[in-house]
Amino acid sequence: QVQLQESGPGLVKPSGTLSLTCAVSGASIRSSNWWSWVRQPPGKGLEWIGEIYHSGSTNYDPSLRGRVTISVDKTKNQFSLKLTSVTAADTAVYYCARALTVFDYWGQGTLVTVSS
Amino acid sequence: EIVLTQSPATLSLSPGERATLSCRASQSVSRYLAWYQQRPGQAPRLLISDASNRATGIPARFSGSGSGTDFTLTISSLEPEDFAVYYCHQRDSWPFTFGPGTKVDIK
Repeated sequence: QVQLQESGPGLVKPSGTLSLTCAVSGASIRSSNWWSWVRQPPGKGLEWIGEIYHSGSTNYDPSLRGRVTISVDKTKNQFSLKLTSVTAADTAVYYCARALTVFDYWGQGTLVTVSS
Repeated sequence: EIVLTQSPATLSLSPGERATLSCRASQSVSRYLAWYQQRPGQAPRLLISDASNRATGIPARFSGSGSGTDFTLTISSLEPEDFAVYYCHQRDSWPFTFGPGTKVDIK
């Protein structure tokens, strides 16, 4: 069974860098899927952040371009998210997900709060 | 960017009633439209892909229809576990976007 698990600090200071990792089990990150990050601010809807293919090809939401980097570690079967210069507006539950044509598997999500 | 609009924002119904949720895209997404259910405190769950294909394990009471810019998710007879928020999502073109959601709550 495919499982995704997010990990990383739950608290980040303003202007700092948010770093999360998604460990994938039950599937190879080398498979023909896009590995994605989606976030959800408290009480709000879902926002697509970006995605990566195992080749390293990436797509990002333009509103975050310049601040976001998604990378993949094939040896550890995981992928990661880095978001720089964070503000309170980046406070959200961050989900990692697998996608081919749709998001078929999701992690449980991890809350990241931006606060001093 | 393709903007998805969902209506209504909230749907108040009783168990056993039929729910009809709408999603409209600002430009055609062909049939690259999916529906997700999100219960409180949980990750979204895929219900429907490619506008009308039920995902594995999804009950037959859930059905999707539409193409182009207008899509519908229908729940034929609401079960207690169906009271949740429903999001539509397009993967026709980058950046991928979600609708704002429709909350189905108990009347």
